Amino acid sequence: EAGVVQSPRYKIIEKKQPVAFWCNPISGHNTLYWYLQNLGQGPELLIRYENEEAVDDSQLPKDRFSAERLKGVDSTLKIQPAELGDSAVYLCASSPTGNTEAFFGQGTRLTVV
Amino acid sequence: DQQVKQNSPSLSVQEGRISILNCDYTNSMFDYFLWYKKYPAEGPTFLISISSIKDKNEDGRFTVFLNKSAKHLSLHIVPSQPGDSAVYFCAASASSNQFYFGTGTSLTVIP
Repeated sequence: EAGVVQSPRYKIIEKKQPVAFWCNPISGHNTLYWYLQNLGQGPELLIRYENEEAVDDSQLPKDRFSAERLKGVDSTLKIQPAELGDSAVYLCASSPTGNTEAFFGQGTRLTVV
Repeated sequence: DQQVKQNSPSLSVQEGRISILNCDYTNSMFDYFLWYKKYPAEGPTFLISISSIKDKNEDGRFTVFLNKSAKHLSLHIVPSQPGDSAVYFCAASASSNQFYFGTGTSLTVIP
């Protein structure tokens, strides 16, 4: 069974440019998460979906970040415009339900220059 | 405010000995705890979990202990192997809400 697939693996952009990340969760997993991981820190939740509904987006900086999960399957996370401080690893994860262990993708390492 | 804390950034252990990784939490509502293992350039992979109704869960070489009164959990790896060298994160949640992660402990198992 395929795991959580994220693309791209790496992205380098100039500040003020837009960027988008894509995630395909494990088939059948209703819950999808986007996490941000800064160097030396643990993952921090940005947004959690139950099917196509965003049930927790309290940590998502809505002035520049947006996410969608159309049809309740794959998801995109967008930053517009990117700032230097957005440089981090963006992790997508999925789980069958919200209270079980999540399975992570390999992440997208974003560098904003 | 960090609700899950891993106060040891790193740990070195001889191969074959026991590795003990510690994690403390502040939120008494947390009822489900997990450990993840992360290799460089990969996403975290689930290792073992424990719910608050238990105080111990064992899976092969890995055992997680939960002390609710002390708000403390630990992961024991015995015997430790070089392939166990990775960063270990503990995470906690309250009633199916979001998981809060610690900052990780980098384990090095010396052959």
